[in-house]
Amino acid sequence: EVQLVESGGGLVQPGGSLRLSCVASGFSFSGYRMDWVRQAPGKGLEWVAHISSSSSIIYYADSVKGRFTISRDNGKNSLYLQMNSLRDEDTAVYYCVRRWNDFCFDPWGQGTQVTVSS
Amino acid sequence: FMLTQPHSVSGSPGKTVTISCTRSSGNIANNYVQWYQQRPGRAPTTVIYEHDRRLSGVPDRFSGSIDRSSNSASLTISGLKTEDEADYYCQSYDGSNQVFGRGTQLTVL
Repeated sequence: EVQLVESGGGLVQPGGSLRLSCVASGFSFSGYRMDWVRQAPGKGLEWVAHISSSSSIIYYADSVKGRFTISRDNGKNSLYLQMNSLRDEDTAVYYCVRRWNDFCFDPWGQGTQVTVSS
Repeated sequence: FMLTQPHSVSGSPGKTVTISCTRSSGNIANNYVQWYQQRPGRAPTTVIYEHDRRLSGVPDRFSGSIDRSSNSASLTISGLKTEDEADYYCQSYDGSNQVFGRGTQLTVL
């Protein structure tokens, strides 16, 4: 079974940092591009960042550029999101997603909650 | 660009509903549209990819299409079931930028 399991969420003060992790299983992780997508409380989905299978290509949404860093360790079947200078508006459930083909996000992890509040 | 969806739609069991997704700029046909279902408290799952293809395991009651004249995509659900009650999101892209619609809440009355 293809599975993505996120961890690392929690409560952090504005300006703080957090590192999210995602462990993949059930498929050849090193062969797939990966993304992070978030969902603020009661809101829709927002794409955050993308990384190619070899880490050679990385893209960010404008809202997180310069503050967030996506990375991966193919040897550990793991995806990461380092989040610095966190703001109230970064409060959301963060989903780890596989780029199943060039265009489609599938499957999605169960998500990890990040709350930025003083 | 933006993808505009209706805030909500509703239908009775056994009926058919259609959810639209209008692209604000750029040709809808040139960049594939995907549709995701999100039940309350759950992660999204894919129902349609590449405009009109169903992912394995998705019932054929779900279908996708595009309309070049209105620059929009549509998700049609026929034979509505109570289990179809969920939020539905369209998604497309422009280069490296991935964009989601704001979601449509489907209520099965």
